[in-house]
Amino acid sequence: KNQVEQSPQSLIILEGKNCTLQCNYTVSPFSNLRWYKQDTGRGPVSLTIMTFSENTKSNRRYTATLDADTKQSSLHITASQLSDSASYICVVSALNNLFFGTGTRLTVIP
Amino acid sequence: DTEVTQTPKHLVMGMTNKKSLKCEQHMGHRAMYWYKQKAKKPPELMFVYSYEKLSINESVPSRFSPECPNSSLLNLHLHALQPEDSALYLCASSPVFAVTSPLHFGNGTRLTVT
Repeated sequence: KNQVEQSPQSLIILEGKNCTLQCNYTVSPFSNLRWYKQDTGRGPVSLTIMTFSENTKSNRRYTATLDADTKQSSLHITASQLSDSASYICVVSALNNLFFGTGTRLTVIP
Repeated sequence: DTEVTQTPKHLVMGMTNKKSLKCEQHMGHRAMYWYKQKAKKPPELMFVYSYEKLSINESVPSRFSPECPNSSLLNLHLHALQPEDSALYLCASSPVFAVTSPLHFGNGTRLTVT
């Protein structure tokens, strides 16, 4: 069964701290994996895409990793800011289907 | 600001009403999507249009009727909805209908059915 699981469900961190969000998937055949950021009441915005051959990709303070062997991905946020408070959704693609994770709700507090 | 524009931002309707949600993009994208998102849940795919033709209908009840008048516009016509249809309705577009194409989402229409 194609599934995408994210952990933790929610996370609260102090401004300036780092954090790591996890995504485990059983989707097959794997095409790519995207991390989206969704602010409350707004649509998701793509942060990064990982293909099978990529292990690490950075986008400003966001660094995504992919281990295609263990079917795991992580999103590391460095030096968190209040504006990082949002839901982070992992989306895995297979053929012409997208499988969404349930998201991690991140709250950054001053 | 998002390049996919959805109107209205909020909509309250009774179960006997007929209303429409609108979505517009001018990025030249040829694939457009409707998603439904309940609170604290991921978006669920409803419909996909590719080159103005309906490509995917994820067994959505007939009280939801999509329409793609041209390559820039996507509508979702609503009729006889139920309270459980209350959700955030997201429109998205991509250059083509392919998993390698990134989705560009609008900010959604928050629908409440009373």
